Amino acid sequence: AQSVTQPDIHITVSEGASLELRCNYSYGATPYLFWYVQSPGQGLQLLLKYFSGDTLVQGIKGFEAEFKRSQSSFNLRKPSVHWSDAAEYFCAVGARNAGNMLTFGGGTRLMVKP
Amino acid sequence: GAVVSQHPSWVICKSGTSVKIECRSLDFQATTMFWYRQFPKQSLMLMATSNEGSKATYEQGVEKDKFLINHASLTLSTLTVTSAHPEDSSFYICSADSPWATGELFFGEGSRLTVL
Repeated sequence: AQSVTQPDIHITVSEGASLELRCNYSYGATPYLFWYVQSPGQGLQLLLKYFSGDTLVQGIKGFEAEFKRSQSSFNLRKPSVHWSDAAEYFCAVGARNAGNMLTFGGGTRLMVKP
Repeated sequence: GAVVSQHPSWVICKSGTSVKIECRSLDFQATTMFWYRQFPKQSLMLMATSNEGSKATYEQGVEKDKFLINHASLTLSTLTVTSAHPEDSSFYICSADSPWATGELFFGEGSRLTVL
């Protein structure tokens, strides 16, 4: 079974600073990988996804993530954080042989200082 | 496109009553929908996978008689929390499988259930 670990429960960065949110997964083959963002009391919005091909994927809102097979990681990055980026971020893995069932990491809450 | 809508967004009910939450794919047909539960400040836990026209597949530890799932059409899945108790209070989120074989899920806005 697949699993996802987001080591950082909370992260605080200053507005304009760079951001990296960590995600490690466990899966026997190449998984589908996703990053979602959730604002308080809201559903989830897809930021980006990796299925195959280029290991550096670009997403919405200026986010990008890099799939590193050797490290079983899919870290999310943004060069300059905006106050509106404050939210909960979830990394998720989907098994290629299990339909579209996703397993989510525990989430990282991002706070942005002015 | 690919909008998933949940209703109601908020519901408060008395202990012992049943509550139905609807999940609709507004502009596409969803063969498969997933129901997640999210406790405050925690991640999403998959409750069940709902396939149109067949019985839902429940995850281990989820009571199928407690959480009734019906997926009677390609655009509607419902979750009924039967005989709700305060410990059932949670944020319930549905998602629908992409019909374009992109492998992604489209999520509803979530429904917050509070059982008094």
